[in-house]
Amino acid sequence: NAGVTQTPKFQVLKTGQSMTLQCAQDMNHEYMSWYRQDPGMGLRLIHYSVGAGITDQGEVPNGYNVSRSTTEDFPLRLLSAAPSQTSVYFCASSTRDAAIRSGANVLTFGAGSRLTVL
Amino acid sequence: KQEVTQIPAALSVPEGENLVLNCSFTDSAIYNLQWFRQDPGKGLTSLLLIQSSQREQTSGRLNASLDKSSGRSTLYIAASQPGDSATYLCAVMSGSSNTGKLIFGQGTTLQVKP
Repeated sequence: NAGVTQTPKFQVLKTGQSMTLQCAQDMNHEYMSWYRQDPGMGLRLIHYSVGAGITDQGEVPNGYNVSRSTTEDFPLRLLSAAPSQTSVYFCASSTRDAAIRSGANVLTFGAGSRLTVL
Repeated sequence: KQEVTQIPAALSVPEGENLVLNCSFTDSAIYNLQWFRQDPGKGLTSLLLIQSSQREQTSGRLNASLDKSSGRSTLYIAASQPGDSATYLCAVMSGSSNTGKLIFGQGTTLQVKP
């Protein structure tokens, strides 16, 4: 299993450019989410999805769009990049199964995408 | 609004010491609490998950406890090793069911010196 795969690993954009961060998981997880990590601020939730066709906003959704057309993919779109969006972005997935003993709702994270907006 | 705080922000200890990392949260209505490890430039690896009905979880040299009423969790690392050097993140899932959404603390960066 590849787990959660994020592409690209690194990206440099100019202010105003658009781009899409890709996230794919092969574990048939229902839940997927995007976080950003900034120095000294931990991870903050941008958007999340509980299944194909269903998305919702997290703590810091402004400037980002998402869609979930398949269970496997959850792309994050920056329509007009700003320097404030310079960050490391993490995609995560988990199963809806709430079984306690299996620890089934442990989140699996991708390796991250480092974005710099100039 | 749920807020998660980790103290200290950084910690340096000699190899072999037992140590405790602290995590506090403001809203006791949580579904679970998770501890993650993050190596520099890498993603997050789940270490331990404690459901709201549990008091502690153990994995090898790691033991995590949860006290919902006081809004606290601790991660105990026994006999620390240089390979334990990393950033440790605490995260809570609020509410009464699995939402897949986590609120993270800022992390504690641990350095274990040989």
